[in-house]
Amino acid sequence: GQSLEQPSEVTAVEGAIVQINCTYQTSGFYGLSWYQQHDGGAPTFLSYNALDGLEETGRFSSFLSRSDSYGYLLLQELQMKDSASYFCAVRDMGGSYIPTFGRGTSLIVHP
Amino acid sequence: AAGVIQSPRHLIKEKRETATLKCYPIPRHDTVYWYQQGPGQDPQFLISFYEKMQSDKGSIPDRFSAQQFSDYHSELNMSSLELGDSALYFCASSLGLAATGELFFGEGSRLTVL
Repeated sequence: GQSLEQPSEVTAVEGAIVQINCTYQTSGFYGLSWYQQHDGGAPTFLSYNALDGLEETGRFSSFLSRSDSYGYLLLQELQMKDSASYFCAVRDMGGSYIPTFGRGTSLIVHP
Repeated sequence: AAGVIQSPRHLIKEKRETATLKCYPIPRHDTVYWYQQGPGQDPQFLISFYEKMQSDKGSIPDRFSAQQFSDYHSELNMSSLELGDSALYFCASSLGLAATGELFFGEGSRLTVL
């Protein structure tokens, strides 16, 4: 099976940079995704890493180190609307590539 | 652009009743996933379908069943409902195995069991 660990809560102020870490255990790693979810809303895809390195998409970047079974999501120039839950999700070849979600990190952005 | 459509958005049932949730994937998407998310929890994978065949099974109770129809829409049937089944049920779709890693989620169906 797979397991993921990410912090339960992170707080920051508007305009700041925040990093949300994710460590995972899996037998046949295939890729790591990041999703954003506002209260009561649908998870929305942010980023995906299958290879080591940094992927940048606007204010959001995601990093992966397969050797360390570790990834992070970097959010820059934080805005109030970024307050949401952020989930890392691992895809495992043994699990038919179905994303398994972590417990989520609640990001609270203060003015 | 068309998104994943789920219905109903809200559903209230009594214990031991049955419920059916529907999901219409994005046009041309051939893979459908069902997830269950309890309050404050992460989405838990239930079941998925690829080209109208069940492709993988997660933590779906035996009381639940699902299928994908010829038009690629999917239905999740839940019987003998229990209080613990109260949750948000998300359907997601992708093209094949989602090489880009992206699953497109619907807005969810909120089931409340009284």
